[in-house]
Amino acid sequence: SAVISQKPSRDICQRGTSLTIQCQVDSQVTMMFWYRQQPGQSLTLIATANQGSEATYESGFVIDKFPISRPNLTFSTLTVSNMSPEDSSIYLCSAGTGRTGELFFGEGSRLTVL
Amino acid sequence: AQTVTQSQPEMSVQEAETVTLSCTYDTSESDYYLFWYKQPPSRQMILVIRQEAYKQQNATENRFSVNFQKAAKSFSLKISDSQLGDAAMYFCAYRGLLLRKSSGSRLTFGEGTQLTVNP
Repeated sequence: SAVISQKPSRDICQRGTSLTIQCQVDSQVTMMFWYRQQPGQSLTLIATANQGSEATYESGFVIDKFPISRPNLTFSTLTVSNMSPEDSSIYLCSAGTGRTGELFFGEGSRLTVL
Repeated sequence: AQTVTQSQPEMSVQEAETVTLSCTYDTSESDYYLFWYKQPPSRQMILVIRQEAYKQQNATENRFSVNFQKAAKSFSLKISDSQLGDAAMYFCAYRGLLLRKSSGSRLTFGEGTQLTVNP
């Protein structure tokens, strides 16, 4: 299994600012993903973080709003840009090697935008 | 596109009893993975059990077992001897095989079932 650490665990931000969430995996992984989870709801995939190339975004999510970096096989960042209260959510990093199919998750970053 | 449906938003069970959570999915693929994840209030997503579609035998992990009905596209989770620590949101998830571009390697989640365990 992979251990995934996310920082920050939670943050309160002002409208119009940007926040970068970091995701660190304790081993090399082939796949990394970013999900969003609204309170009491399921997880929605934002994008696939591709190592060394641009992320692949799902419908409804754009790079200008959610720029993602993945400089190597163990680290990725998600930035939530120009935040509004609608961006208040939990953001989760997920990763896996593909050998056994499962994906592992970080503890999530709870973002509140005032 | 693949979809996952959990028709039970909430379930409750008495401690030490057995409960079954339902999940159905829709896919045109023949090979894939299915998972049950648990999310307690701490919000950490924890993998409970996994099933490969090509395996006919139902997966089992201690008190957790699944009833995988491939033809019916059904994947239910049975929790035996329920414990207070089992209380959490449970998500059923689908994942296509990595080599299939149509589904990619992402997880598709159901809406979740909130499980309450009564002492």
